[in-house]
Amino acid sequence: DVKVTQSSRYLVKRTGEKVFLECVQDMDHENMFWYRQDPGLGLRLIYFSYDVKMKEKGDIPEGYSVSREKKERFSLILESASTNQTSMYLCASSLQLANYGYTFGSGTRLTVV
Amino acid sequence: GQSLEQPSEVTAVEGAIVQINCTYQTSGFYGLSWYQQHDGGAPTFLSYNALDGLEETGRFSSFLSRSDSYGYLLLQELQMKDSASYFCAVRASRGSQGNLIFGKGTKLSVKP
Repeated sequence: DVKVTQSSRYLVKRTGEKVFLECVQDMDHENMFWYRQDPGLGLRLIYFSYDVKMKEKGDIPEGYSVSREKKERFSLILESASTNQTSMYLCASSLQLANYGYTFGSGTRLTVV
Repeated sequence: GQSLEQPSEVTAVEGAIVQINCTYQTSGFYGLSWYQQHDGGAPTFLSYNALDGLEETGRFSSFLSRSDSYGYLLLQELQMKDSASYFCAVRASRGSQGNLIFGKGTKLSVKP
């Protein structure tokens, strides 16, 4: 069964901490994405990557960075966590085909206190 | 700006048919997708339409009209397990690096 695995289901971090969210996929997908999901706002794209070491800003990249050193792994970094980054974070991957859907991970619910 | 509009909530009874509409306004258009998300779960891919018309997959069908910038997801013979949020998403740019823009989701409640 194909999978996107996010390292943590729940995280609680303090304001100002550097936070790493890890995502691994086993489907040899080229594209990987990080979204955050908030009630009433839907899914908003933070960053995406279409190849190793490549990254593109999404709609809300401020306060975040990413790293993709290997094809299967895409990390989201909160440089200095703030309370407004409390959210559900979803990682997804896909093939580079327009009609191929995204496969999402189960999400990481991050609380910044 | 780019936007997708869909109703925030829909309620229907078991066994009925429900239609969830999606209108979009994007700089480009290269396909409309639908995703289902149960509470606490991950979104899962349901369907993709690149051309006008109806695509059927079991109890679910998806329709697209590019001239009207409009699509819908049709769920037939509703079951309790269909209670979930449904998101439409548009691929707005050509090429392998194109990402999806998601609507805010429609919460479907199926009543007995």
